[in-house]
Amino acid sequence: ETGVTQSPTHLIKTRGQQVTLRCSSQSGHNTVSWYQQALGQGPQFIFQYYREEENGRGNFPPRFSGLQFPNYSSELNVNALELDDSALYLCASSLDPHANTEAFFGQGTRLTVV
Amino acid sequence: KNEVEQSPQNLTAQEGEFITINCSYSVGISALHWLQQHPGGGIVSLFMLSSGKKKHGRLIATINIQEKHSSLHITASHPRDSAVYICAVRGSQGNLIFGKGTKLSVKP
Repeated sequence: ETGVTQSPTHLIKTRGQQVTLRCSSQSGHNTVSWYQQALGQGPQFIFQYYREEENGRGNFPPRFSGLQFPNYSSELNVNALELDDSALYLCASSLDPHANTEAFFGQGTRLTVV
Repeated sequence: KNEVEQSPQNLTAQEGEFITINCSYSVGISALHWLQQHPGGGIVSLFMLSSGKKKHGRLIATINIQEKHSSLHITASHPRDSAVYICAVRGSQGNLIFGKGTKLSVKP
């Protein structure tokens, strides 16, 4: 039990639609990172939020966007879904984006785009 | 070339065997993480280390900063150890850069 919860656990969407994935971080963790994990691959960094501001981004297009809220929850929004967006989406919370602190992961949301 | 490379990609062992998973990285790091991922998808942190060696139960992690190499060892392996083991280092933006993982299957 990591104290990080994600919802929903599974989701099926149609190409072109929009999706919102949610993450509830550990209380007190003001950093949340989102990752995309394709089948058989390691997770890839999408972006990171620190105190409600985006402070780092991986190689993902602008249709991937996010929000972080004061209550330690966050969202990942994906517009204009493509088939290749099918993956496991993981959020991880931590205390500080740059210190060597442990990251706590949620169980992930498995998104299927058809 | 990936910044974090793991070997082997797949590993099958008999219960009781000693297991080693290797990780090499090409970037300067301040810490390296070993994580475990079960089929359901959730990831659990096993170790975070920046030098030397750490031990937790039957798991041992070592790191050699000069050689940019780390190993995860499992002693007296058990079928419940079956999972994907992932090595990750912290990138310049504070994010984790992951290897592709090693899928371990321990047979009874």
